[in-house]
Amino acid sequence: AQKVTQAQTEISVVEKEDVTLDCVYETRDTTYYLFWYKQPPSGELVFLIRRNSFDEQNEISGRYSWNFQKSTSSFNFTITASQVVDSAVYFCALSEAVDNFNKFYFGSGTKLNVKP
Amino acid sequence: EAGVVQSPRYKIIEKKQPVAFWCNPISGHNTLYWYLQNLGQGPELLIRYENEEAVDDSQLPKDRFSAERLKGVDSTLKIQPAELGDSAVYLCASSPGQGSSTYEQYFGPGTRLTVT
Repeated sequence: AQKVTQAQTEISVVEKEDVTLDCVYETRDTTYYLFWYKQPPSGELVFLIRRNSFDEQNEISGRYSWNFQKSTSSFNFTITASQVVDSAVYFCALSEAVDNFNKFYFGSGTKLNVKP
Repeated sequence: EAGVVQSPRYKIIEKKQPVAFWCNPISGHNTLYWYLQNLGQGPELLIRYENEEAVDDSQLPKDRFSAERLKGVDSTLKIQPAELGDSAVYLCASSPGQGSSTYEQYFGPGTRLTVT
């Protein structure tokens, strides 16, 4: 079973539209961490945010916001007023403890196309 | 601060040939990861080092893949012999935490391997 599911393979929006990228995770741990990464066409993954399982406060950073809901095991990412530079593949990831050390799982990514 | 450095950026080899990738992590980062990323998918962990110790190599195909991290800094990933199915991007990442994957990872630009 997939640990991290990003059901949206590809999304296309027009510049200035808001867009939400979905992420659903699966874990039995009570302590875990969730991440979002951006991979622009240049290929290098860029860290965006880390949340721990005990902090369900939503977070906003500029045009980016994240909605963490343990009840639905979701950690969705919203870009407000999207820009062409937001075009990239976005990955959600989960870190959980397995056999006394943490393992890291990435989703399959959502490709976001922002058109001018 | 310099990021994670990888070389080469691109490599084309014929099947059955050996190939090696090099990674220099961010200074002071104890944890180093090698990932494989196939087209349209998220990164998959191959091996993780804490300093010079490989603490998770369960996903490394040990019949043809090997890795080392001498002196707990730079790391080399080798494939011998390469197969057509090894064509992918090989990513190196490092994180500041020791003994845990709860810290965010910083990725290098990757090495795109093409096996013909």
